[in-house]
Amino acid sequence: GAVVSQHPSWVICKSGTSVKIECRSLDFQATTMFWYRQFPKQSLMLMATSNEGSKATYEQGVEKDKFLINHASLTLSTLTVTSAHPEDSSFYICSALAQETQYFGPGTRLLVL
Amino acid sequence: LAKTTQPISMDSYEGQEVNITCSHNNIATNDYITWYQQFPSQGPRFIIQGYKTKVTNEVASLFIPADRKSSTLSLPRVSLSDTAVYYCLVGDINPGGGNKLTFGTGTQLKVEL
Repeated sequence: GAVVSQHPSWVICKSGTSVKIECRSLDFQATTMFWYRQFPKQSLMLMATSNEGSKATYEQGVEKDKFLINHASLTLSTLTVTSAHPEDSSFYICSALAQETQYFGPGTRLLVL
Repeated sequence: LAKTTQPISMDSYEGQEVNITCSHNNIATNDYITWYQQFPSQGPRFIIQGYKTKVTNEVASLFIPADRKSSTLSLPRVSLSDTAVYYCLVGDINPGGGNKLTFGTGTQLKVEL
């Protein structure tokens, strides 16, 4: 149980384009999901908290207009990186909350050229 | 959220028991302690979670002293495939957002023959 998927697993895009990443809880409903970013050899950094049916809560320093989050259902949250630039290249990981435990997706590798 | 401190790295050999300790002096009353394992380019995988005393599952044990200011993840007989980064995460997740979910540096465990 408690399986979380992400799509795509990796994506390459040109600078200035937008990229959407999906996060799905496959066998449970998640009112709350989280989005993290991880740079090479570094720990995970929380970007935002996504709550179904309401606006996401962003961490300090994370631009809400650049990283658009939509949590339209109890099993799906999406992260859209708008006008991507090379510095946005990173490993993006989502998690879904089940009781007091976060279950993580496999991650999405984004490379912006 | 309680800040966590872990050793940066640990080395072990196959078949040995490995204990990784995490310090969390500022743990709050409602905080849980959760340990994750992460392989390169993958999302963290849930290992074990506890609140106090000892918790055991099929892969690990978690020891939490009475004051809860630290916790120790115990891997009974490690193998090469246990080489990974191990994170402890301490907190009481508030679904309303405003969470300060901070992953520490993690512990890079290297298991050798």
